[in-house]
Amino acid sequence: SQQGEEDPQALSIQEGENATMNCSYKTSINNLQWYRQNSGRGLVHLILIRSNEREKHSGRLRVTLDTSKKSSSLLITASRAADTASYFCATDGDNYGQNFVFGPGTRLSVLP
Amino acid sequence: DGGITQSPKYLFRKEGQNVTLSCEQNLNHDAMYWYRQDPGQGLRLIYYSQIVNDFQKGDIAEGYSVSREKKESFPLTVTSAQKNPTAFYLCASSIGTGIKQFFGPGTRLTVL
Repeated sequence: SQQGEEDPQALSIQEGENATMNCSYKTSINNLQWYRQNSGRGLVHLILIRSNEREKHSGRLRVTLDTSKKSSSLLITASRAADTASYFCATDGDNYGQNFVFGPGTRLSVLP
Repeated sequence: DGGITQSPKYLFRKEGQNVTLSCEQNLNHDAMYWYRQDPGQGLRLIYYSQIVNDFQKGDIAEGYSVSREKKESFPLTVTSAQKNPTAFYLCASSIGTGIKQFFGPGTRLTVL
């Protein structure tokens, strides 16, 4: 069963603009993670946010978590062409972190 | 260099043949995972292992088998029972459960 679902499915912006991607999930969670995947490559971990946290920052990345709405957002500020990739959220659902369930991803294109 | 490797990068097999995908890590991680990714989709968990000599089925284990005889290695066999094996296969590891996963570069399997 799919736990997380990203929105939008695809996003195209100009270099320098901000990009916002959203993730909605169904069951309660302990942790939510965001990953990035360049085409045809493995995933790279970006940020982990715990259920008792509301916001985390890492460089140009800002992640928020609203457990009451069962949603998270990933904001990439001042985007660059190199940010072009697919972004996935992953949630641990009710299995206490034994494994994570990945959403279908948002494909971000940053145009120079 | 510490990391997680998968081989081969591309693999072609005839229908009806079993094939084994390699995954090795030198990160001293206890947990290892196998995911399947189809074009434009997210990752689906095939099998995971939290410790040597133990592994659990994921969401789509049918037609696949794994072993975990060594901490560093978690090979995946795609058997002839797997109805639609052509996909991109990703291996990951983590120091424990519920935390970030490190991914290998993936193996693209094409069954002719």
